[in-house]
Amino acid sequence: DTGVSQNPRHKITKRGQNVTFRCDPISEHNRLYWYRQTLGQGPEFLTYFQNEAQLEKSRLLSDRFSAERPKGSFSTLEIQRTEQGDSAMYLCASNQVGQGDEKLFFGSGTQLSVL
Amino acid sequence: GDSVTQMEGPVTLSEEACLTINCTYTATGYPSLFWYVQYPGEGLQLLLKATKADDKGSNKGFEATYRKETTSFHLEKGSVQVSDSAVYFCALSYGGSQGNLIFGKGTKLSVKP
Repeated sequence: DTGVSQNPRHKITKRGQNVTFRCDPISEHNRLYWYRQTLGQGPEFLTYFQNEAQLEKSRLLSDRFSAERPKGSFSTLEIQRTEQGDSAMYLCASNQVGQGDEKLFFGSGTQLSVL
Repeated sequence: GDSVTQMEGPVTLSEEACLTINCTYTATGYPSLFWYVQYPGEGLQLLLKATKADDKGSNKGFEATYRKETTSFHLEKGSVQVSDSAVYFCALSYGGSQGNLIFGKGTKLSVKP
């Protein structure tokens, strides 16, 4: 078990470009979550998947954001037409719901800087 | 809406000092409460949790008691170590899944030898 893996660790982009992040959860986990964390703030929930189904989206997730988990394993988060306000740490987390302990495991995040 | 408020940091303590990080919450229902810790260069980790009023969560010498009457979940440790230096986040969630969390802003703790 290698934990929750996120790639890339850092991404620098210019305003208006599209970016995509990847999250590989712990293999047997059926739920996967995306959070955003800005400097000096706690993480804010964006969306989550149960297997391949996206079950909830925060109002923070504007139309420029899209997330997928096509085979119920890894997930991608895409931001189109990036803005400077999108600069943040994007965190992924996973857990197994419905079988005992539902402890949540976080990845180390992808730090996005929009210039 | 629901929210979590933590005491502002940073908090600087000497080794073996007592620690209290205050956390209060506003909730429409009966949430589960959590403390997460983020060590330098690492991802968030669950430190402890409590799922109902009067429950006490504990781990690694840290404790927190779910106080419904004061809507609080203060984190305490009797004797901190340098290795406890980290950012601590209080959080709440509803329902069976621990994944849809509302976090406080975090409190940075630095412990000096």
